[in-house]
Parts: sequence; C-alpha cells; structure tokens
Amino acid sequence: AQKVTQAQTEISVVEKEDVTLDCVYETRDTTYYLFWYKQPPSGELVFLIRRNSFDEQNEISGRYSWNFQKSTSSFNFTITASQVVDSAVYFCALLTGTASKLTFGTGTRLQVTL
Amino acid sequence: ETGVTQTPRHLVMGMTNKKSLKCEQHLGHNAMYWYKQSAKKPLELMFVYSLEERVENNSVPSRFSPECPNSSHLFLHLHTLQPEDSALYLCASSQGTAYYEQYFGPGTRLTVT
Repeated sequence: AQKVTQAQTEISVVEKEDVTLDCVYETRDTTYYLFWYKQPPSGELVFLIRRNSFDEQNEISGRYSWNFQKSTSSFNFTITASQVVDSAVYFCALLTGTASKLTFGTGTRLQVTL
Repeated sequence: ETGVTQTPRHLVMGMTNKKSLKCEQHLGHNAMYWYKQSAKKPLELMFVYSLEERVENNSVPSRFSPECPNSSHLFLHLHTLQPEDSALYLCASSQGTAYYEQYFGPGTRLTVT
C-alpha cells in the first residue's frame, strides 16, 4: 500500500526565515514519482516539482529546494528566505505504477508573517 | 483561456436539487480527474478518465455521476446529495495516467443545505 506522511500540520514563520516541510513516503514499488503541490487560499493546487525514484539529485529552483533521500524515504522541501506570498498549504504526493493514482499527504499549512 | 478551468466556483444546493459541475482543460491532455477535498482529510480521488473512458471509480456513491464527452471536458452530475458531501471539488488533467504530473483547476466550493 502507498502512504504519504506530512507530520507537520501547521508551521508559522516570520518573513525571511528558512523553513523545511517534511514528507515521508511508503511504497514497495521500485519505480515511483514524488510530487509537491502548493494550494494558496484561492484553492487551486499548483504543481511545483516531480521527481522519479531513480534520480536522487537534489534540486533547486530559485528560493525552493528539494532533498530526496531514498535511504530514509523522505522528500523534504525547503523555502529559503520565506515571503508572505509563500503562505499556503503544501502537499506532498506519491505516484506508483501499481496504484496508478496520486496518493496525497494531509498537507502542511505554512503561515509567513511580517 | 489557459490551464484548467472549473465552473461554477461556488455552489449552494439543497438535498433534492440536481446540478452539474463543469471542468475544461486547455492543455491538450488525455486524462482527467475528479477529486474531493474535505476539511482535515487527504484529497480523495473520485474518478479518472483516460481518452474519454472511465478507468477508475473509487467506490463513489451513485449520487455522483461523471461524464466525459471529449478529452477536454469533464462533468460531475450531482443529485440528492447529503450535507456531508459539502467540500471543494477539484478537477485535474494530465498527459496520461502513468507518472505524469496533474494540473488542477481552482475547484468548486459546494455547500449542501
């Protein structure tokens, strides 16, 4: 069975702080994809990144970076120098061949204040 | 228009009404999805369509009836809903059903009274 755990329900930071959102996944498949989505108050889920199970290189995109570690089944997301516009709910998700559907975590609500 | 659009954005309906939610994708994708997002629950996949054929139905009550007339449009027909069906209904699309990222619409906030 596939499972995604986002243990942090809510995080509150002050603008310009760095923040890391944790994601731990479970699957027996050797081929799988991991995703992060952002859901701002408007409701739409915005795709941020897709990473396959064979590529453990960390990725950086502007202020965003992702740390994929198969040894700990984690795919953590760090926002550097957070901004108020980063306030949203962030979801981690897992897609495997056997399930053929996205399994989402319960999300982490990030609140960035001035 | 670009991306995935959904109408209406907000809907209030009584338990005896019949209404439909509409989703349209402008991305040239072949797969479309309906999700339900309730407070404090993970997103629940309801239906998956690939090339206009339903490939997944996650034990959804029959009061929800999907329709996919072509690869760009997806509907969710609603009838005799219950108050616990109040939620945000999200539509998504992807190039295919395997390993592709899904792009979501803004959702329809449904309230059943």
